[in-house]
Amino acid sequence: IAGITQAPTSQILAAGRRMTLRCTQDMRHNAMYWYRQDLGLGLRLIHYSNTAGTTGKGEVPDGYSVSRANTDDFPLTLASAVPSQTSVYFCASSPQGVPNYGYTFGSGTRLTVV
Amino acid sequence: AQSVTQPDIHITVSEGASLELRCNYSYGATPYLFWYVQSPGQGLQLLLKYFSGDTLVQGIKGFEAEFKRSQSSFNLRKPSVHWSDAAEYFCAVGPYGGSQGNLIFGKGTKLSVKP
Repeated sequence: IAGITQAPTSQILAAGRRMTLRCTQDMRHNAMYWYRQDLGLGLRLIHYSNTAGTTGKGEVPDGYSVSRANTDDFPLTLASAVPSQTSVYFCASSPQGVPNYGYTFGSGTRLTVV
Repeated sequence: AQSVTQPDIHITVSEGASLELRCNYSYGATPYLFWYVQSPGQGLQLLLKYFSGDTLVQGIKGFEAEFKRSQSSFNLRKPSVHWSDAAEYFCAVGPYGGSQGNLIFGKGTKLSVKP
């Protein structure tokens, strides 16, 4: 089934540890995005990539990094996790950068930093 | 600056009653507008979208939304709510930023349905 796969589904992480959230899509979409969802704050964009080989910063990029080595994969790395990064993380993709098609979302990764 | 406001944090309606969820936006040009639904523990699913043309758009699951430029609104409606519609609903507007553009999401409206 075409779509976005995120892994892990959930994770408890000790503060200071490094963590990579994985995101893979099989729709050959050019654009990919990482959002975090927090109660009362909605979804906030962390990083995006309009095409393989390029990335950009969103609204809340501090403490996170991304790479886009190929079309399908868009991993999000927390270099040294802090409790404020406790959140639900969603990966999304779109056929083109200009979001006239809307986004397809993954099922999310629930991350707890303790 | 671009923004999206969903004035209602939580709405409760009776099953079979009509529904309207409000969305107001601030955007410098003609926006692309979207409504998404999120069931508990799930990702977001696209309900409908507006780019241009007819200001009343139809979506999945019997939802519709009307774009009103004069009011900067894109309210979501459903004539008769079903218990399975209980979820959180997000309005989004774009594109903004960068060379290609991204979406800005509202903070969401949680819908509860009474039997």
